[in-house]
Amino acid sequence: RKEVEQDPGPFNVPEGATVAFNCTYSNSASQSFFWYRQDCRKEPKLLMSVYSSGNEDGRFTAQLNRASQYISLLIRDSKLSDSATYLCLYNNNDMRFGAGTRLTVKP
Amino acid sequence: NAGVTQTPKFQVLKTGQSMTLQCAQDMNHEYMSWYRQDPGMGLRLIHYSVGAGITDQGEVPNGYNVSRSTTEDFPLRLLSAAPSQTSVYFCASSYSGPYYGYTFGSGTRLTVV
Repeated sequence: RKEVEQDPGPFNVPEGATVAFNCTYSNSASQSFFWYRQDCRKEPKLLMSVYSSGNEDGRFTAQLNRASQYISLLIRDSKLSDSATYLCLYNNNDMRFGAGTRLTVKP
Repeated sequence: NAGVTQTPKFQVLKTGQSMTLQCAQDMNHEYMSWYRQDPGMGLRLIHYSVGAGITDQGEVPNGYNVSRSTTEDFPLRLLSAAPSQTSVYFCASSYSGPYYGYTFGSGTRLTVV
C-alpha cells in the first residue's frame, strides 16, 4: 500500500456544487497534514493545514480522521477559479505527497 | 523577501551530461527538499536536508547528489543525465518540525535528450 493515496479524479462539477476529496495515509505515526493546490504548470501552494479538531477557511473545510487514517477537503459553492489539482501532504519529518486529485469546475 | 528561488527555469541536456539545479531561500528555513514531478506520479522526494551539513535520501535518490553547506542554499546535482530524469523539479523549504508546511520554488523543467 502506498504511504499516501488520493483518488486522481478527475472530478467535474458545476459552479456552486459542493465537492469533497479524501486522502488516506498508512503511517499511523504521521504528525501533521496539509492540503496544497497546484495550478497547471505551476508550483504547489499551501491551501490549509489540517488539525485534529478540523478547520475551516471560508468555503474550505479540512478534517482529520486518525482512527480511519484519512484526511478530507470539502469545498462548498465551487467557483471556476477552484479548478486545479489538490494535493495532500503529511509531515512525519519525511514529507510525502499524494499524487493529487484533479478538479474542474464548469459553468 | 524572495522566498524560494530556483534556477534555471528550463534546461535541455544531452544524455550523459551533468548539471546543477540551484535552490536558494531567504526565510531562514532549516528544512529543504527536492522533489520531482512526473505525470501520474505526483511529487516524489529525491533528497532532503534538516539543516546545514545534514542531508538524507528520499524515495528516488539514484542519479542525484546534494549538499547543504549553508542554510540558504541546497543545490541538486545530476551526475550523468538520463532520459528518465526528464521531469519538473521543485525545491521546497520549511521551518523544522512536523507542524509546518512547505514553500515551493517555481520549478525547473528539465528535458534530457
